Parts: sequence; structure tokens; C-alpha cells
Amino acid sequence: AQRVTQPEKLLSVFKGAPVELKCNYSYSGSPELFWYVQYSRQRLQLLLRHISRESIKGFTADLNKGETSFHLKKPFAQEEDSAMYYCALNLNFNKFYFGSGTKLNVKP
Amino acid sequence: NAGVMQNPRHLVRRRGQEARLRCSPMKGHSHVYWYRQLPEEGLKFMVYLQKENIIDESGMPKERFSAEFPKEGPSILRIQQVVRGDSAAYFCASSPGRGAHGYTFGSGTRLTVV
Repeated sequence: AQRVTQPEKLLSVFKGAPVELKCNYSYSGSPELFWYVQYSRQRLQLLLRHISRESIKGFTADLNKGETSFHLKKPFAQEEDSAMYYCALNLNFNKFYFGSGTKLNVKP
Repeated sequence: NAGVMQNPRHLVRRRGQEARLRCSPMKGHSHVYWYRQLPEEGLKFMVYLQKENIIDESGMPKERFSAEFPKEGPSILRIQQVVRGDSAAYFCASSPGRGAHGYTFGSGTRLTVV
């Protein structure tokens, strides 16, 4: 079975502190992994995907196949980063398996 | 481009009634996907459709739920005889083709069954 696990429901940090949102996946093949963000009252938006290996809004994520992880990191959190973050696994080119999400709260 | 449009944003139904949720994909997108998000959970895949075809309905409950994407008009997710457990946010996404490229989500419809 394919599964995405985000162990933290809520993560609170102070502005300027480093952030790491954890994501572990369970899949025996080559995964295609994504991070989506949902700001308050807005739609789900793509933040980044592991294939592109880019940094968006200061966030990065590295796929670690040995640990089956795809943790999202940012060295210095900003208040505007407060949102729900979802890790997702894309299979068969047509559907995503989402984690249950982590709410990031960046305090001033 | 207005993006993926879902309506209504909020829908309240009494137990036993029917709920119809609409999704208009982005211009140029011919693939539509429906997801359901129960409270405190992530989005769960329900169904994948192309125009006039259901490609993958592996996430659809066996009874009371159906989906269509006609040649003309929006995709419809239909829930018959709703029960309290159907209360959730239902999200639609569209893409221009197979694959995650260009996959765009709508704002969702929040269904409340009273």
C-alpha cells in the first residue's frame, strides 16, 4: 500500500527560526513527491516537487530514498509562512496520495 | 484564466437529500479529479475523469456516489441520500494531460449534512 505520513499536526516556531516539516512515504518504486501549501481561506497550491529540485519562497526539500523521507525545510521562518502544508505522493501520473497535513504557525 | 472553479463553496443538505457539486476545469484542461477531505485528514483521491469517460474510480464509495464529466459543461460529483458522514470538503483538480504537470486545484466545496 502507498502511504504518506506527516507526524506533526501542528508546528509552532518563532519568526527567524529554522523550520522542518516532516514527511515520510511508503512506496516500493520510484516516487514522485510534492509539497502543497494552503494559506488561510485559499486553495491548495503547489509549493515544490522533488524532480525540479528548486527552492520556492526559501523552502527546499530533499528526497532521501534510504529513509523514505521528503522533509520540507526553511532556514528562517517568516510570519507569512503560516499555513497548512501537505506532502503528497503522485502515482500512475493521475492521482495523489496526501498526508494529513501539518499546520505551521510562525509567531512574531 | 479563472482557474478551476467549484460551486457552490458551501452546501448544506439534510440527511436523505441529494448533493450535486460542480467543477469547471481550467481552460485547456481535459482531465478532472475529485478528492475528499474529512476533518483532520488529508485529501483522499476519489475519481479521475476525462470528457465522457471515467478513467479511475478506485477511490469512490461503492454506493450513493457518482461522477460525470460530460462533453459540454462542468464535471459533477453527485451524492445521493446523503448521511452525516458525507460532511467534508470536496476538492476538484484539473490538468492538461496525464501527469502531475499543470495539476491545479479548485477552492473546494464544503458539504455539511444536518
